[in-house]
Amino acid sequence: DVKVTQSSRYLVKRTGEKVFLECVQDMDHENMFWYRQDPGLGLRLIYFSYDVKMKEKGDIPEGYSVSREKKERFSLILESASTNQTSMYLCASSTNQPQHFGDGTRLSIL
Amino acid sequence: KQEVTQIPAALSVPEGENLVLNCSFTDSAIYNLQWFRQDPGKGLTSLLLIQSSQREQTSGRLNASLDKSSGRSTLYIAASQPGDSATYLCAVKRGSNDMRFGAGTRLTVKP
Repeated sequence: DVKVTQSSRYLVKRTGEKVFLECVQDMDHENMFWYRQDPGLGLRLIYFSYDVKMKEKGDIPEGYSVSREKKERFSLILESASTNQTSMYLCASSTNQPQHFGDGTRLSIL
Repeated sequence: KQEVTQIPAALSVPEGENLVLNCSFTDSAIYNLQWFRQDPGKGLTSLLLIQSSQREQTSGRLNASLDKSSGRSTLYIAASQPGDSATYLCAVKRGSNDMRFGAGTRLTVKP
């Protein structure tokens, strides 16, 4: 069974902090994704990566960056956290389809 | 720009009822459409995937249909159970890494 693990289920940070969200997958998938999920808006793609050290912007990359130094790990970085980045963050991985999702990180920025 | 809409946003039914969840999309140039289930505080689990050339897919009590020309998909759940309570999301795939998600329908099945 595919396992996508997000390091934290809940996280509380302060405005202006640099925040790291980690995601690890165990199925050697090439593709990895970061989404945020907000009520009434569905999932929106922040960034994705199709290979180590490769990254592509999604629909809402502003205020975020990513890092993929190893195939199994994809990190989302909030450079300077702001209150409008309070959200549920979901990581996913895939070779083709379907995408396999982690359980999410609920991030609150105070 | 592709938009995906799911109506209703929430649905409550008594146990045993058959029900239909709706998904509509604005651009018919899609590779496939996928239905997901999301339990509270959890990630998404894939239920059914329909390729653009297919009309429907079935898995157990679930049946999903796709009408590309009208930009619609339905998820039919037969003989609903309390364990079916969850949020159901549809997503359309346009490009190799371009998936658009609806906001979901929150289903409650009452015992």
